[in-house]
Amino acid sequence: ETGVTQTPRHLVMGMTNKKSLKCEQHLGHNAMYWYKQSAKKPLELMFVYNFKEQTENNSVPSRFSPECPNSSHLFLHLHTLQPEDSALYLCASSQEARPNYGYTFGSGTRLTVV
Amino acid sequence: TQLLEQSPQFLSIQEGENLTVYCNSSSVFSSLQWYRQEPGEGPVLLVTVVTGGEVKKLKRLTFQFGDARKDSSLHITAAQPGDTGLYLCAGASPSNSGYALNFGKGTSLLVTP
Repeated sequence: ETGVTQTPRHLVMGMTNKKSLKCEQHLGHNAMYWYKQSAKKPLELMFVYNFKEQTENNSVPSRFSPECPNSSHLFLHLHTLQPEDSALYLCASSQEARPNYGYTFGSGTRLTVV
Repeated sequence: TQLLEQSPQFLSIQEGENLTVYCNSSSVFSSLQWYRQEPGEGPVLLVTVVTGGEVKKLKRLTFQFGDARKDSSLHITAAQPGDTGLYLCAGASPSNSGYALNFGKGTSLLVTP
């Protein structure tokens, strides 16, 4: 399997639930990212992992908790979310966290918080 | 966060027409990338430009990086329905992790037969 795979594709959760988003890449990339895409807003960078180490937390609320057990897998653990957290969550990877390396994105998880 | 302004926000044209979309910023970027995103999918990288004044062509798509590396344009010749999608520009700037991509809001293009 190639590319970046995200599961699930769709998720509906209540505000008291705990769920996790999964991202997997088989491209041999060393950097992985979580982005949030909301309507009428630019993609918002949430977290960056470079060689499995978290190198950026873009002022994300603690109800979002990332985990990167190895360079191929990235998780986003969710708990006590708010309705305004409903969005498309995109995972991406790149060879390194350097400016000339393009990102490969997954298809995203469409999250709805009710 | 360095802001990128994309224009127009929406564009609806007929097959065969030419179009140009723009990406502007007051900041200088190490490089700039263009992506296309189709509904229900993630963005797909089209091109990376690095040098000021650089022009790159991808079939009917022509990308240009401004001389000052603050802006870029995407020109599509003889648009086809398959070109429909959200076109995003993204500028690379230094961050805690080395570099991070900052995205514009995108130009939503609809090409009708």
